[in-house]
Amino acid sequence: EDKVVQSPLSLVVHEGDTVTLNCSYEVTNFRSLLWYKQEKKAPTFLFMLTSSGIEKKSGRLSSILDKKELFSILNITATQTGDSAVYLCAPRGNTGKLIFGQGTTLQVKP
Amino acid sequence: EPEVTQTPSHQVTQMGQEVILRCVPISNHLYFYWYRQILGQKVEFLVSFYNNEISEKSEIFDDQFSVERPDGSNFTLKIRSTKLEDSAMYFCASSPGGRGETQYFGPGTRLLVL
Repeated sequence: EDKVVQSPLSLVVHEGDTVTLNCSYEVTNFRSLLWYKQEKKAPTFLFMLTSSGIEKKSGRLSSILDKKELFSILNITATQTGDSAVYLCAPRGNTGKLIFGQGTTLQVKP
Repeated sequence: EPEVTQTPSHQVTQMGQEVILRCVPISNHLYFYWYRQILGQKVEFLVSFYNNEISEKSEIFDDQFSVERPDGSNFTLKIRSTKLEDSAMYFCASSPGGRGETQYFGPGTRLLVL
């Protein structure tokens, strides 16, 4: 059975801190892994990772995939209060459906 | 920037009633999905749809559920006889094409079954 585990489940930091969010997965016929940010409603897309060891970066956010060890991390540097959200990891097999983890709830305090 | 839209944003219904949730995917996208998220739980896949037919469905997507693309823009999810446990946030998503592409999510419909 496909499995996705995110850690930590929740995290409270202060503005300016750096955070690392973890995602480990076991997915049949793995093809890619997506990260989403969920604030109030819809998950909004952050990154899609398909190859091991290649960092994807967008501003203060970056992510990397390790297909041998079956995990991915999402880093956020110099956190801001606007980064407060639930961060979702969603690997995908060859059928297209996303398999979501339970999410990491990040709270950034001023 | 194009986005997926969903209506209604909230729906309250009585157990046993039929509901139709509507989605307008991003124009020119070819793959469409429904997911749901029960309060406090993970986002779960329900069904994917391509070329006017279901490509994959989960075990949640039983005979009470159906999907349709009645015209060139709308994509609907129908629940024939709602149960209390159908209460959830329902998200529609679309992707440009190919199973390896990014899926873009709509804002969701909050369904409450009483």
